[in-house]
Amino acid sequence: AQSVAQPEDQVNVAEGNPLTVKCTYSVSGNPYLFWYVQYPNRGLQFLLKYITGDNLVKGSYGFEAEFNKSQTSFHLKKPSALVSDSALYFCAVRGSWGKLQFGAGTQVVVTP
Amino acid sequence: DTEVTQTPKHLVMGMTNKKSLKCEQHMGHRAMYWYKQKAKKPPELMFVYSYEKLSINESVPSRFSPECPNSSLLNLHLHALQPEDSALYLCASSQVQGEKLFFGSGTQLSVL
Repeated sequence: AQSVAQPEDQVNVAEGNPLTVKCTYSVSGNPYLFWYVQYPNRGLQFLLKYITGDNLVKGSYGFEAEFNKSQTSFHLKKPSALVSDSALYFCAVRGSWGKLQFGAGTQVVVTP
Repeated sequence: DTEVTQTPKHLVMGMTNKKSLKCEQHMGHRAMYWYKQKAKKPPELMFVYSYEKLSINESVPSRFSPECPNSSLLNLHLHALQPEDSALYLCASSQVQGEKLFFGSGTQLSVL
């Protein structure tokens, strides 16, 4: 079965510092991975996806993610965090029937 | 138009009431989804419609009844709900089943 794990419940970072949100995956076959972000009282918003190809995927709002097959990781990164990046972040993997399996989520708190 | 619109935004209902949640998209997407989300938790898939046919039912209790009247509309009919059904109900759509999801802002449901 396909699954993802987000090992951190919360990540705290100062504005202007680099932001990393961790995700590891477990799949049979080639992974189809996503990152979504959820701001308070909103639905989830798509940030980026990895299917095949370049291991560095660029997405919305200055985010990027690095796919690492040997470490089975797909960490989300942003070089310089903004207070407005404070939100709940979900990693997800596509499984059978196209169903998305979401990670538990990581709360990002960016302090001024 | 890249929006998924959900109505109402908030709903309070008693355990004997019947109500409906509505979802609409005009992106020409052929897959539509209902998710249930508890606070600070990942969304849980409930139903998927693909080309207006029910594709996935995640063993959801019969007090939840989905309906897809046409390719742009998705309804969720609610009857005899329990307090534990209180949650944020999210609608999403995608080009086809399994592709990136576009989420609505959700309906915050409280069952008294």
